[in-house]
Amino acid sequence: TQLLEQSPQFLSIQEGENLTVYCNSSSVFSSLQWYRQEPGEGPVLLVTVVTGGEVKKLKRLTFQFGDARKDSSLHITAAQPGDTGLYLCAGGNTGNQFYFGTGTSLTVIP
Amino acid sequence: SQTIHQWPATLVQPVGSPLSLECTVEGTSNPNLYWYRQAAGRGLQLLFYSVGIGQISSEVPQNLSASRPQDRQFILSSKKLLLSDSGFYLCAWMSGIGYTFGSGTRLTVV
Repeated sequence: TQLLEQSPQFLSIQEGENLTVYCNSSSVFSSLQWYRQEPGEGPVLLVTVVTGGEVKKLKRLTFQFGDARKDSSLHITAAQPGDTGLYLCAGGNTGNQFYFGTGTSLTVIP
Repeated sequence: SQTIHQWPATLVQPVGSPLSLECTVEGTSNPNLYWYRQAAGRGLQLLFYSVGIGQISSEVPQNLSASRPQDRQFILSSKKLLLSDSGFYLCAWMSGIGYTFGSGTRLTVV
């Protein structure tokens, strides 16, 4: 099992603030994905990054894959209550499966 | 379009009773299918995955088993449930870009 640690585990912020979530591993991955999950639902894919150093933007969300492809970050600008949820990173290689991180639970207070 | 169906949404079962959770996929053929378990607010633990009919790979030893009787059907079973089997169970299939998850089954063993 390839372990991905996410930090922080819990995050509660006011609407309009910025935040960054981290996903770290000692393993190298060929690709990394970020998902958001709402209570009682399955996770929904936000982005996939495949190149070391790659940066992808999705509206107010910015995703970065580390140069060594062992870590990733998710930055949210001007957070909104609709951003509330559990954020999960998942790293994969040439096999048919991804290993999920420990999760970051984000609450954005109006 | 591809869709994934998972049922039931919630289930309360006594210790020692059997379990059968079903997952079906529509709109794709020969999908890679997965069963994950999630503890509250945490990451996902891979239980089983299947690359084709009758082909099951188990990630962790446990009280559960899986079967794939048809191309687009994946079943998670147990002969005798334990209290520790409680959790949120998610079925997923892997497309070229990432997982698509079902809506999950909340299992409570009492």
